[in-house]
Amino acid sequence: DQQVKQNSPSLSVQEGRISILNCDYTNSMFDYFLWYKKYPAEGPTFLISISSIKDKNEDGRFTVFLNKSAKHLSLHIVPSQPGDSAVYFCAAKTSGTYKYIFGTGTRLKVLA
Amino acid sequence: DTAVSQTPKYLVTQMGNDKSIKCEQNLGHDTMYWYKQDSKKFLKIMFSYNNKELIINETVPNRFSPKSPDKAHLNLHINSLELGDSAVYFCASSPGGDRGYTFGSGTRLTVV
Repeated sequence: DQQVKQNSPSLSVQEGRISILNCDYTNSMFDYFLWYKKYPAEGPTFLISISSIKDKNEDGRFTVFLNKSAKHLSLHIVPSQPGDSAVYFCAAKTSGTYKYIFGTGTRLKVLA
Repeated sequence: DTAVSQTPKYLVTQMGNDKSIKCEQNLGHDTMYWYKQDSKKFLKIMFSYNNKELIINETVPNRFSPKSPDKAHLNLHINSLELGDSAVYFCASSPGGDRGYTFGSGTRLTVV
């Protein structure tokens, strides 16, 4: 039972445009969410987080939106750059626990 | 200086062998993890230690045994390797709370 789902395995976007990566979750107890970025042959690296008390968090070109009623979060990258080409994972957990549950990732390709 | 380092990076071994993967972090984090990324790209938690104490032990065959000699190290020993153990294994650490993980670059294990 996959509690965190990224239904788009891949996404291609033109350089300079917006990239929108989506993530859905089923466990209403999740209240903290992260996005990770992964390049080939490297471990995932932390990108941005959001807690359930917010519906938006912004860091430079990256913005994460959380819709608790829909159990949905999204990562917006504006403007997209070729160096953003990577696999993006969303992850979720319940406060007070140590365990993050990861989605299966979306491969983003930014075309120059 | 690599924050979370895993060795070896690649491991090819025959069925039935016993092997170990080592992980070390120099971030001063209290909590360390082993995650497995299988062929379907799921990143699934296997174990977690907090200050050398096992706190997460998911449904993993008991052929897998983690060992944490101190809070900077978490090693993974696998007995009687099977073909299905082929995967990328990621070590990670975190300071705890809601903060995210720092991952190592992964160990690609291939059982032949």
